[in-house]
Amino acid sequence: DAKTTQPNSMESNEEEPVHLPCNHSTISGTDYIHWYRQLPSQGPEYVIHGLTSNVNNRMASLAIAEDRKSSTLILHRATLRDAAVYYCILRVFTGGFKTIFGAGTRLFVKA
Amino acid sequence: ETGVTQSPTHLIKTRGQQVTLRCSSQSGHNTVSWYQQALGQGPQFIFQYYREEENGRGNFPPRFSGLQFPNYSSELNVNALELDDSALYLCASSLDPSSGYYNEQFFGPGTRLTVL
Repeated sequence: DAKTTQPNSMESNEEEPVHLPCNHSTISGTDYIHWYRQLPSQGPEYVIHGLTSNVNNRMASLAIAEDRKSSTLILHRATLRDAAVYYCILRVFTGGFKTIFGAGTRLFVKA
Repeated sequence: ETGVTQSPTHLIKTRGQQVTLRCSSQSGHNTVSWYQQALGQGPQFIFQYYREEENGRGNFPPRFSGLQFPNYSSELNVNALELDDSALYLCASSLDPSSGYYNEQFFGPGTRLTVL
């Protein structure tokens, strides 16, 4: 089964960029890479997704390695409100749709 | 436009009992997925429903079952509850199965189930 691996926690200073890595070496060619974040007592919130090319949106950027075995979520300027657990996810289709969450990276942001 | 809602917020059951959790999709969304999130862990995919049929399932035993209704709301049923079933149960909706595949899912706040 496909899986993702993330560091347990990371720390950043406010207003600085943050790079959150994810390893997904078992990814298949049609699996999509998604990132969600979860604040305490809330459901996960969509951040960004991609397949092969790097992606940018108003929240973040997603850099995908050429072999697709890893990806990095980039928050360009961390704020205190970005403190959350960030999940790297694979969306796969193997005879049915499945969503595979990693264990998540808890991001701490210091003022 | 209302978001994804779940009921109840909290629930306490004893081992061996059965439980039903409910989810109302975001307006216009016809696909619902259910997840189990144990304390301190990432969500685990249980299954996905589209047009009242299951079209994707994770590694959960058959005592985890679901229903989707014509209005796209959904239920998660768990029979013969075990202590390890204690978790936050999340549902998420999307426009259709494929858009949830390559686009975003919208999550509800979850139901906290405690099994004693």
